[in-house]
Amino acid sequence: DAMVIQNPRYQVTQFGKPVTLSCSQTLNHNVMYWYQQKSSQAPKLLFHYYDKDFNNEADTPDNFQSRRPNTSFCFLDIRSPGLGDAAMYLCATSRDIGGSGEQYFGPGTRLTVT
Amino acid sequence: EDQVTQSPEALRLQEGESSSLNCSYTVSGLRGLFWYRQDPGKGPEFLFTLYSAGEEKEKERLKATLTKKESFLHITAPKPEDSATYLCAVPNQAGTALIFGKGTTLSVSS
Repeated sequence: DAMVIQNPRYQVTQFGKPVTLSCSQTLNHNVMYWYQQKSSQAPKLLFHYYDKDFNNEADTPDNFQSRRPNTSFCFLDIRSPGLGDAAMYLCATSRDIGGSGEQYFGPGTRLTVT
Repeated sequence: EDQVTQSPEALRLQEGESSSLNCSYTVSGLRGLFWYRQDPGKGPEFLFTLYSAGEEKEKERLKATLTKKESFLHITAPKPEDSATYLCAVPNQAGTALIFGKGTTLSVSS
């Protein structure tokens, strides 16, 4: 089945220790998104790629970076995680940009910062 | 500023007790409203897209409706397996991203 896969499902890192989360998709969608979701909060968009074009949300901290080496894979790098970065990180894809089509989400990676 | 507000934050129902969830939005020039279901510890799962006032979509016990200012998700005769958080989202004005509400957490007991 076509899907969005995220690894790992659970990640524990130390304060200030860089961490990378990965996402892959078999849907061949043009757009990939990274969201941050804290407990009982709405998913918050961090950035998205339309093909190779990177789009950063204005309020996304510089501590968060992303890479998309090819259509199928996208990575979220947190350079120096703080306690406030503990959250669920969701990867999503869509055929077209933004609201012109539904987004398909992966299962998420739960990040714990100790 | 574009906003999406969902109410109530939490809803407890008995099995078979029908109810409705509300999603109100302030974005102008709506280009679609999306409903998602999110189970604990999982990513959101797409349910419906509505594009114009008066439009309705149905899936099993769920029916979504849309007016010019809000959307309702009606749940008819819910079952315990309908327990989840229901999120609604609208595109931002630039059309580059979805703005999500905080969701309504539904609990259905047997």
